[in-house]
Amino acid sequence: GAGVSQSPRYKVAKRGQDVALRCDPISGHVSLFWYQQALGQGPEFLTYFQNEAQLDKSGLPSDRFFAERPEGSVSTLKIQRTQQEDSAVYLCASSPLTANTEAFFGQGTRLTVV
Amino acid sequence: AQRVTQPEKLLSVFKGAPVELKCNYSYSGSPELFWYVQYSRQRLQLLLRHISRESIKGFTADLNKGETSFHLKKPFAQEEDSAMYYCALSPSGYSTLTFGKGTMLLVSP
Repeated sequence: GAGVSQSPRYKVAKRGQDVALRCDPISGHVSLFWYQQALGQGPEFLTYFQNEAQLDKSGLPSDRFFAERPEGSVSTLKIQRTQQEDSAVYLCASSPLTANTEAFFGQGTRLTVV
Repeated sequence: AQRVTQPEKLLSVFKGAPVELKCNYSYSGSPELFWYVQYSRQRLQLLLRHISRESIKGFTADLNKGETSFHLKKPFAQEEDSAMYYCALSPSGYSTLTFGKGTMLLVSP
């Protein structure tokens, strides 16, 4: 595919359940970002990878959130023991390299915790 | 810490009217500023960035460092401009984006 692909598109989780969200970036893109977008808000930064290295995880809201990109391509955002406040759209974006190049966004995964 | 403020949640205009979507930022250095747009049922995409000084789909945005603003303008709005618009900031040399809360633009016929 030509764009950033995220799966699943929708996820309903019971409170306390663990979830895993997948991001397939554009092939060859070095940088990968995760953002969280709550209803009525703009996207908020969670974490950033350059290849397989997680260079910034300052936006992760708690230690229940964990992200990885083991081979420098596909990334997974894992949320353990989900809570209602985790309900949001999770956006993945990739870009060729740093220094203010365009970030290409996926369609997002809408997580609803019930 | 950086911050982006978009004071209007909703801006409603008639087709052919001028449009200005406001964006103010706070950052101690010299940031890069962007406008992203999300059309209905589509993904977030870049509209324009200030370093390119370009006009995309008739939209322009000028960075005013004195007023710390980066307002988005279009002289004659079209119905297809209806979308959610986000202003975003990136610190120089580092590509993580800080977004505003967004402004919904509705252009009526």
